[in-house]
Amino acid sequence: EDQVTQSPEALRLQEGESSSLNCSYTVSGLRGLFWYRQDPGKGPEFLFTLYSAGEEKEKERLKATLTKKESFLHITAPKPEDSATYLCAVQDPMEYGNKLVFGAGTILRVKS
Amino acid sequence: ETGVTQSPTHLIKTRGQQVTLRCSSQSGHNTVSWYQQALGQGPQFIFQYYREEENGRGNFPPRFSGLQFPNYSSELNVNALELDDSALYLCASSWDRVSEQYFGPGTRLTVT
Repeated sequence: EDQVTQSPEALRLQEGESSSLNCSYTVSGLRGLFWYRQDPGKGPEFLFTLYSAGEEKEKERLKATLTKKESFLHITAPKPEDSATYLCAVQDPMEYGNKLVFGAGTILRVKS
Repeated sequence: ETGVTQSPTHLIKTRGQQVTLRCSSQSGHNTVSWYQQALGQGPQFIFQYYREEENGRGNFPPRFSGLQFPNYSSELNVNALELDDSALYLCASSWDRVSEQYFGPGTRLTVT
């Protein structure tokens, strides 16, 4: 089965201190990689879908990139409201349809 | 546009009991997937329903079962509850079996 590993497990940043989160995956053929944001006790909020190596997507202070073996979520000049758990998932095909295989997430804390 | 909704928000059950969780999919979505998320982990795929048929299943025992109704809402039933079933149960809907999945807020189940 596909595997997804996220690093670091936790990251503490000062407001304005840019950084990157990593998601590495092992799949037989990537059909889609997804980034979600999850606040404590809530459901994951969809951020981005990436399908092919070299693809990039941006939303406010977040930019997601994809290579053949990993994806990065770059956070530029973060604010305290960016604090959350960021989840990465890959589409794993079933006989009919796809399921998502998630990593354990990176807990991001941004201090003012 | 109404997003994915789930009920109840929280639930406390005793070991051996049965529980039913409910999910209303986002307008226009015909596919519903259920996930279990233990504390500190990423969501784990339980099963997926497409047009009232089970489309695929993860590594969960048969006491986890589900239904999808003609309006594409869905139920997750768990029989003979065990302590390890304590988790956040997430429902996600999508336009079809392969497009991005949008999650509801989850149901927090505690088994004592």
